[in-house]
Amino acid sequence: DAGITQSPRHKVTETGTPVTLRCHQTENHRYMYWYRQDPGHGLRLIHYSYGVKDTDKGEVSDGYSVSRSKTEDFLLTLESATSSQTSVYFCAALPGGTGVGGYTFGSGTRLTVV
Amino acid sequence: QQQVKQSPQSLIVQKGGISIINCAYENTAFDYFPWYQQFPGKGPALLIAIRPDVSEKKEGRFTISFNKSAKQFSLHIMDSQPGDSATYFCAASKSNYQLIWGAGTKLIIKP
Repeated sequence: DAGITQSPRHKVTETGTPVTLRCHQTENHRYMYWYRQDPGHGLRLIHYSYGVKDTDKGEVSDGYSVSRSKTEDFLLTLESATSSQTSVYFCAALPGGTGVGGYTFGSGTRLTVV
Repeated sequence: QQQVKQSPQSLIVQKGGISIINCAYENTAFDYFPWYQQFPGKGPALLIAIRPDVSEKKEGRFTISFNKSAKQFSLHIMDSQPGDSATYFCAASKSNYQLIWGAGTKLIIKP
């Protein structure tokens, strides 16, 4: 997972509180993604970014927002956490330009909403 | 039409055997088909990928077989080893910028 750092690695929060997850990359990749991983669902895209201040929604974006003020940082905010948002969250990055190559993933953030 | 269906959900194979995981897609515009490997506590990592202009791609013990007419592709792991025990994801996309993921297969190699 060299190049992508997610923080925190684990978090327990109460229903209704806002939560921000952080993703930091050192590879200067153009594209960044936030996924959630749940058993039986694989990886589901929440939001992605194709450049500084350029973001778009994924398939499960309701209740989430993102910001990217610098190339290296991509923040995911749960505006008011709910139990259905208990999940493992992964950040990924991809260099732009070629359209091929592997995504680099972070090690994930395990979020529990109680 | 955007789905990628992966099977089986879980698979147990004896050491030295062949592990086979299958995926099917519907969108004929997809042109990139990667497989990712994920170990517990880690993010997925690219294992091997194929484009639809070839029917097979091999990298070491890992082979992707691609059937364009059937809209199916599969991962074969030859001489499976305990270290191959992981969750495997297939994916597909029209480019690499937005992948559609299968649900994953948990593979266990028994020594």
